[in-house]
Amino acid sequence: DIQMTQSPSAMSASVGDTVTITCRASRDIDDYVAWFQQKPGKVPKRLIYASSNLQSGVPSRFSGSRSGTEFTLTISNLQPEDFATYYCLQHNDYPYTFGQGTKLEIK
Amino acid sequence: VHLQESGPGLVKPSGTLTLTCAVSGDSVTSSNWWTWVRQSPGRGLEWIGEIFHRGTISNNPTTNYNPSLKSRVTISIDKSENQFALKMNSVTAADTAIYYCVRDSGRAENWFEFWGQGILVTVSS
Repeated sequence: DIQMTQSPSAMSASVGDTVTITCRASRDIDDYVAWFQQKPGKVPKRLIYASSNLQSGVPSRFSGSRSGTEFTLTISNLQPEDFATYYCLQHNDYPYTFGQGTKLEIK
Repeated sequence: VHLQESGPGLVKPSGTLTLTCAVSGDSVTSSNWWTWVRQSPGRGLEWIGEIFHRGTISNNPTTNYNPSLKSRVTISIDKSENQFALKMNSVTAADTAIYYCVRDSGRAENWFEFWGQGILVTVSS
């Protein structure tokens, strides 16, 4: 299986900050990564697909990038509604696998 | 597109978990993969498997399963009811989770785009 090592597992930040969350794949998976946001009691919501493509309707302060097997989700100018848990997903090979999640809390 | 899970919220250990996902706004015979994902505090988000309504050669559905669950899981499709189902046997407490049905696709812009609201299944006597 392809392992998606996500870091950090938790972090705190303030409104207006810029934060980055990283997923490292255990092997080359090209751009086959999506990012999701999940709020407590809610369904995961897709933010980014194919490493860097923004889902329609998602604010442009969210962005994704890739460097080799390392994938990054960047949230600029954090807003109160951005405090949530974030997950990466590799969609390159079966079984599809998720990162363990990053809980973003308000400082 | 709307997906809605249904099924019992409580299953006894060693029993069989059976869930259904009703699809509206799309057809289960479209060019999409119909997927089950589960989430638990211990395992995080876990892809269970998927089904496509036909094979490349035959009219029989194509399925792919997570090898860690393959021996216990069956995903089926009901074209007449526009729904698909998950069956997991020999369940244990470790199978307690929120189960989601999801629409997936081979096209990146449609990967895991639509999710059901999820259904909590507890395995307990």
